[in-house]
Amino acid sequence: EDQVTQSPEALRLQEGESSSLNCSYTVSGLRGLFWYRQDPGKGPEFLFTLYSAGEEKEKERLKATLTKKESFLHITAPKPEDSATYLCAVRTFGNEKLTFGTGTRLTIIP
Amino acid sequence: DVKVTQSSRYLVKRTGEKVFLECVQDMDHENMFWYRQDPGLGLRLIYFSYDVKMKEKGDIPEGYSVSREKKERFSLILESASTNQTSMYLCASSLSGYNQPQHFGDGTRLSIL
Repeated sequence: EDQVTQSPEALRLQEGESSSLNCSYTVSGLRGLFWYRQDPGKGPEFLFTLYSAGEEKEKERLKATLTKKESFLHITAPKPEDSATYLCAVRTFGNEKLTFGTGTRLTIIP
Repeated sequence: DVKVTQSSRYLVKRTGEKVFLECVQDMDHENMFWYRQDPGLGLRLIYFSYDVKMKEKGDIPEGYSVSREKKERFSLILESASTNQTSMYLCASSLSGYNQPQHFGDGTRLSIL
């Protein structure tokens, strides 16, 4: 059974304080790892897809990286508007489904 | 931009009622999905559909059914609502293909009293 674990569950940072969120996975054959951002009362918003170990993607203050067992979402000099819950999900071979982690709730304090 | 629209943001129903949740997407996506989201459990897949009139069970299909009569519309049906079905329900759609992300609506918060 595919498993996705995110840590920490919650993270509070001062504005400008860089950090990383972790997504570790156990799957039979990774076809893609997806990062989403979810604001309160909204649906998840797609951020990145990563396909193979060593791949990196960037968007503004966010950078996602992938190894064979985990992915990191690095947040550089965050701002209060980066506060949200960040979700990761995996897709495996022959499967249209995504398996989601439970998310990291990030709070950036001004 | 992809637009996935869920018919209600908030819904309150009674135990035993038949409940319909509607979802419409405007991007001609082949795939559509229904999830529920609960604190500490994350998003769990209820049903999905990869074509009109086609459906596949997800991880927690019990107590639910779905209907897809048109490509743009995917309905979730609670046959006889129970209190343990109180949750946030999220609909998503995507193109076919392993590299295609799912795009989500803003959810329906359903309360069963």
